[in-house]
Amino acid sequence: DAKTTQPPSMDCAEGRAANLPCNHSTISGNEYVYWYRQIHSQGPQYIIHGLKNNETNEMASLIITEDRKSSTLILPHATLRDTAVYYCIVRDGYSTLTFGKGTMLLVSP
Amino acid sequence: EPEVTQTPSHQVTQMGQEVILRCVPISNHLYFYWYRQILGQKVEFLVSFYNNEISEKSEIFDDQFSVERPDGSNFTLKIRSTKLEDSAMYFCASRTGQPPYEQYFGPGTRLTVT
Repeated sequence: DAKTTQPPSMDCAEGRAANLPCNHSTISGNEYVYWYRQIHSQGPQYIIHGLKNNETNEMASLIITEDRKSSTLILPHATLRDTAVYYCIVRDGYSTLTFGKGTMLLVSP
Repeated sequence: EPEVTQTPSHQVTQMGQEVILRCVPISNHLYFYWYRQILGQKVEFLVSFYNNEISEKSEIFDDQFSVERPDGSNFTLKIRSTKLEDSAMYFCASRTGQPPYEQYFGPGTRLTVT
């Protein structure tokens, strides 16, 4: 089973920031937090990952709490094309990806 | 930008027939994976492959399934005798051996067993 808890769905207005939370209270010291997304029936797409520091790339920012028990993926200016299922996955990097149900983000005009 | 490709995009087969799903991973990647997603359900891990052998497999990956890297570029998933419940999207993924170990997924093959 997935080691993370995410809300089943969220809404966001186009152009606004989308903040997607994830709880991972049982995370181990050597485990990373990875985020992937899946746009309708396409293959999952890697977004970002982090260990304990906040991370930013061209797609998103990842904020990890100091105790590492939760994190937030931030899409700073959501567009309609960001409508997708977002998966938060905790793993040590070597292990396979275990997908949960994720959060269905709906970006509306 | 390099990407994982999969063929065919859609495969229709009759129950009991053999199917081979094909993937071309990104060229410098060393680790290869198959996942499946039954309609409306979660993405599920099937098998991982490294150095020409299976490194891990799930309970789903029974004797009806096999994987092969027949040459330097292709990675295949064979289902020997398809069942109705094998109908799903099958995704191939690959990664390098270096951190951050992110996996890159192909667009998937939709397998329909009738």
